[in-house]
Amino acid sequence: EVQLVESGGGLVQPGRSLRLSCAASGFTFDDYAMHWVRQAPGKGLEWVSSISWNSGSIGYADSVKGRFTISRDNAKNSLYLQMSSLRGEDTALYYCAKDSLAAAAGMNDYWGQGTLVTVSS
Amino acid sequence: QSVLTQPPSVSGAPGQRVTISCTGSSSNIGAGYDVHWYQQLPGTAPKLLIYGTTNRPSGVPDRFSGSKSGTSASLAITGLQAEDEADYYCQSYDSSLSGSRVFGGGTKLTVL
Repeated sequence: EVQLVESGGGLVQPGRSLRLSCAASGFTFDDYAMHWVRQAPGKGLEWVSSISWNSGSIGYADSVKGRFTISRDNAKNSLYLQMSSLRGEDTALYYCAKDSLAAAAGMNDYWGQGTLVTVSS
Repeated sequence: QSVLTQPPSVSGAPGQRVTISCTGSSSNIGAGYDVHWYQQLPGTAPKLLIYGTTNRPSGVPDRFSGSKSGTSASLAITGLQAEDEADYYCQSYDSSLSGSRVFGGGTKLTVL
């Protein structure tokens, strides 16, 4: 059974940093691209970042480019999102999602339950 | 504001048919990129509903179907049931954007 478990969320002050993690199991992690997708309270889904199976291809939404860094450790079956210079508009539930392909070009066939990030002073 | 436009809400009575549109442009749906649909039940994570514009993952009832024409895609739900009440999102790719992955704004389906 595919499982994606996010962690690392919490309350953080504007301008500070936070690192999210996603522990994957139930599939061959290094065969697939991975994504972070966020959902602000009461709002829709927003794609944040993607990373290919071997970290060779990485993409970011314009809203986070230069502030967020996605990475993965295939030996640990883990995905990460390093978030810096956090703003109020980054407040959201952050989902880890698996891609159906090795490149980040397929559908998100599995999702975690999300970890909540609240940016507030 | 998303590059993929969905109606904020649709509604229908049990047993009826509803459709949810996802309107894009020549740089996304019209360019031939696949469209995927996700269902998000209240308080839960999104779930893949339709992939590759018209395909259903295993376990998704055939009451759900997807289609595409020109720069728009649609999700149709027939034989509406109370448990279909959820938010629905389309997703595709856009060649004019960095990173290129985009979601529609979402549509709230209410079963009357």
